[in-house]
Amino acid sequence: LVLTQSPGTLSLSPGERATLLCRASQRLGSGYFGWYQQKPGQAPRLLIYSASYRAPGIPDRFIGTGSGTDYTLTISSLEPEDFAVYYCQHYGGSQFTFGPGTKVEIK
Amino acid sequence: EVQLVQSGAEVRKPGESLKISCTTSGYSFADYWIVWVRQMPGKGLESMGVIWPGDSETRYSPAFQDQVTFSADTSINTAYLHWNTLRASDTATYYCARQPGGDAFDFWGQGTLVTVSS
Repeated sequence: LVLTQSPGTLSLSPGERATLLCRASQRLGSGYFGWYQQKPGQAPRLLIYSASYRAPGIPDRFIGTGSGTDYTLTISSLEPEDFAVYYCQHYGGSQFTFGPGTKVEIK
Repeated sequence: EVQLVQSGAEVRKPGESLKISCTTSGYSFADYWIVWVRQMPGKGLESMGVIWPGDSETRYSPAFQDQVTFSADTSINTAYLHWNTLRASDTATYYCARQPGGDAFDFWGQGTLVTVSS
């Protein structure tokens, strides 16, 4: 399984909408798909699980959608603290695959 | 409050051994998978495998099979990642995380930086 994320880097301003894409090389069960945020020097943080469910404490501006091979993380209006790297992940069975990440940077 | 606290940064020479730890609290350690994740400098996340502390069942990702060993001590709620023979290419930050059975990794340790250099 290979997960491909696009774009590699997204340059946006606070208040703008961010759309991050993750494509799988084979169809996935959406119940086993998640998104993580990682800021420099910090551990990753779970944002979305089962493709569309927000983890506890995650603001509702983070929206996960998708099924099959195509998944999307939308940040409806970027806050200053949202500039980070985002990873998608498939966690089915005992093999866990991460995408290469999308960096969301301040324009 | 669920917490995973990892041991501090380590510097070793190639060929040396090392064991790092992940001490948990705030939940039933024996009843959740612990996963280990590698992040090489400036790179992405790689899953190394998992351990079920309740019976020490382990599942290694192919790239890490025979390279590392996972263990757990339920008496002190701690998981370990062990290398017998370190290589320079093992230089990375290593994270432990909790995985509720079959689900996403919901709580993470702060990471342990391992530097292997002669």
